[in-house]
Amino acid sequence: EDQVTQSPEALRLQEGESSSLNCSYTVSGLRGLFWYRQDPGKGPEFLFTLYSAGEEKEKERLKATLTKKESFLHITAPKPEDSATYLCAVGSGGYQKVTFGTGTKLQVIP
Amino acid sequence: DTGVSQNPRHKITKRGQNVTFRCDPISEHNRLYWYRQTLGQGPEFLTYFQNEAQLEKSRLLSDRFSAERPKGSFSTLEIQRTEQGDSAMYLCASSFPLGGWNEQFFGPGTRLTVL
Repeated sequence: EDQVTQSPEALRLQEGESSSLNCSYTVSGLRGLFWYRQDPGKGPEFLFTLYSAGEEKEKERLKATLTKKESFLHITAPKPEDSATYLCAVGSGGYQKVTFGTGTKLQVIP
Repeated sequence: DTGVSQNPRHKITKRGQNVTFRCDPISEHNRLYWYRQTLGQGPEFLTYFQNEAQLEKSRLLSDRFSAERPKGSFSTLEIQRTEQGDSAMYLCASSFPLGGWNEQFFGPGTRLTVL
């Protein structure tokens, strides 16, 4: 069964203090690894899909990278509006089921 | 607004009552998913439709849960004889097969509270 582990569970950063979130995964045949952002009381907002090891994608202050066992979400010079829970998810095999991790709750302090 | 919409946004019910939620996906998306999310957890997959066909169901989906997508457009999720353990956020997502593999776009969710 697919497994996704995210660390840390919570992260508190000063505005401008860059850091990385980790997503470790175990799947049989990775089809895609997804990053989502979720604000309190709202549905997840799609950020990135990574398909193969070595792939990188960027959006504003966020950069996602992928290896064969884990993915990192790098946040450069974060702002308070980046505060949210960041979810990692994987899809595998021929199925449409996507397995989510429990998320990293990021707080950026002004 | 052309995103995924869900109704109602909040539902409070008493144990034993039946509830029904509605999801309207993005119009050109033919794939629709239901998830359940509890506090501090990631979304858990419940079921998946391609057009009107329900193709996958999680073991989490007990016989008290039923989902339909009668015309391949909107979908409903019904929970019969609700229990306190059903309290959660119910999320709907949709995707389009010609986009990136299974890139799902979520609605705002329906928060269910069972008293």
